[in-house]
Amino acid sequence: AQTVTQSQPEMSVQEAETVTLSCTYDTSENNYYLFWYKQPPSRQMILVIRQEAYKQQNATENRFSVNFQKAAKSFSLKISDSQLGDTAMYFCAFMKLPQGGSEKLVFGKGTKLTVNP
Amino acid sequence: EPEVTQTPSHQVTQMGQEVILRCVPISNHLYFYWYRQILGQKVEFLVSFYNNEISEKSEIFDDQFSVERPDGSNFTLKIRSTKLEDSAMYFCASLLGSYNEQFFGPGTRLTVL
Repeated sequence: AQTVTQSQPEMSVQEAETVTLSCTYDTSENNYYLFWYKQPPSRQMILVIRQEAYKQQNATENRFSVNFQKAAKSFSLKISDSQLGDTAMYFCAFMKLPQGGSEKLVFGKGTKLTVNP
Repeated sequence: EPEVTQTPSHQVTQMGQEVILRCVPISNHLYFYWYRQILGQKVEFLVSFYNNEISEKSEIFDDQFSVERPDGSNFTLKIRSTKLEDSAMYFCASLLGSYNEQFFGPGTRLTVL
């Protein structure tokens, strides 16, 4: 079974600074997807960024980027130029490569990020 | 932009009562999911649904739970006899199939008294 570990329950950062959230996972699969979801106080889960394990290049979405280290099974999220609206719970998630169907997401426990003015 | 919707946003019920949580997935999506999040804990998979049948279910999804897609648009989660420990946020998600992003609804907060 796959597991996802987020070792930082809470983090804080000053507005405009950069912060990195950690995530490690355990799997015997070779092909899979990794995701970061954001859950603001409104509670809706919003996809921030995703990474395909077969891609060596790290995914980037505007101010959000990942550092994907497949051998180390590490998938950290870097938020640059932090904004007050980035305040949220961030979940790292793993999904096996679908085989003719779809697969469930396996989530970590989350990191609560607070951006301070 | 299409979105997943869920009703009600908050449901309060007495222990032992039946509840039905409703979701309207994105219209052309083919795969549907329920997850739950007990307050302060991680999001957990409950069940996935495709082609009018359950694809996979977790250990949490016992005989008290059921899902159905009664009319081709709604996707419901029924809890037959609620327990205190069923109090949680329940999220519905849907997936088109060809692009592996699950779109989540805003959630239903279930409070069992």
